[in-house]
Amino acid sequence: EAGVTQFPSHSVIEKGQTVTLRCDPISGHDNLYWYRRVMGKEIKFLLHFVKESKQDESGMPNNRFLAERTGGTYSTLKVQPAELEDSGVYFCASSPVREGPITQYFGPGTRLTVL
Amino acid sequence: AQSVTQLGSHVSVSEGALVLLRCNYSSSVPPYLFWYVQYPNQGLQLLLKYTSAATLVKGINGFEAEFKKSETSFHLTKPSAHMSDAAEYFCAVRNESTGNQFYFGTGTSLTVIP
Repeated sequence: EAGVTQFPSHSVIEKGQTVTLRCDPISGHDNLYWYRRVMGKEIKFLLHFVKESKQDESGMPNNRFLAERTGGTYSTLKVQPAELEDSGVYFCASSPVREGPITQYFGPGTRLTVL
Repeated sequence: AQSVTQLGSHVSVSEGALVLLRCNYSSSVPPYLFWYVQYPNQGLQLLLKYTSAATLVKGINGFEAEFKKSETSFHLTKPSAHMSDAAEYFCAVRNESTGNQFYFGTGTSLTVIP
């Protein structure tokens, strides 16, 4: 079974440009999450999809960030326009929908550098 | 509010020595606790999790962690470090009040000295 995949693995852009990150969850996982780790800090929650619906987007830093999950499969996270403080590693995770302490399965992350 | 504190951003141990990575949590309700490991250029991999069953939890690669409610701790241990254990380790907490959101610590980078 394939794990969570993310593309690209690295992205270097200039301030003011736009970047789109993609996440493909594990097949059959309706829950999809985005997290971000700024260098040296903790991994922080950004938002949570259940299928194509945003369940919780309380962690999104501002309106320069737009997440979508059309069709309830893969998800994209767009940053427009990018700022220096957006640099970090963006992780995607997925999990099935069921009761109990569900494990989230993480992808390898996308390292974003904004110059 | 939920939070996780990992004491020591960098830990070095000799090969064969005990590994102890510390994690303290803050949670207003009974927590679920997790340890994840990230090897270089890889994603976060689940090592083990506490889900209110046994307080001593065994995970992969010889790691284990003990949930101590009185100390609000969930420290990760391994009796004998191996070179392949060099990685970054993250402690995380969630509970029913946080929904599906995980709260992570800042991570501990483990170096194993030959």
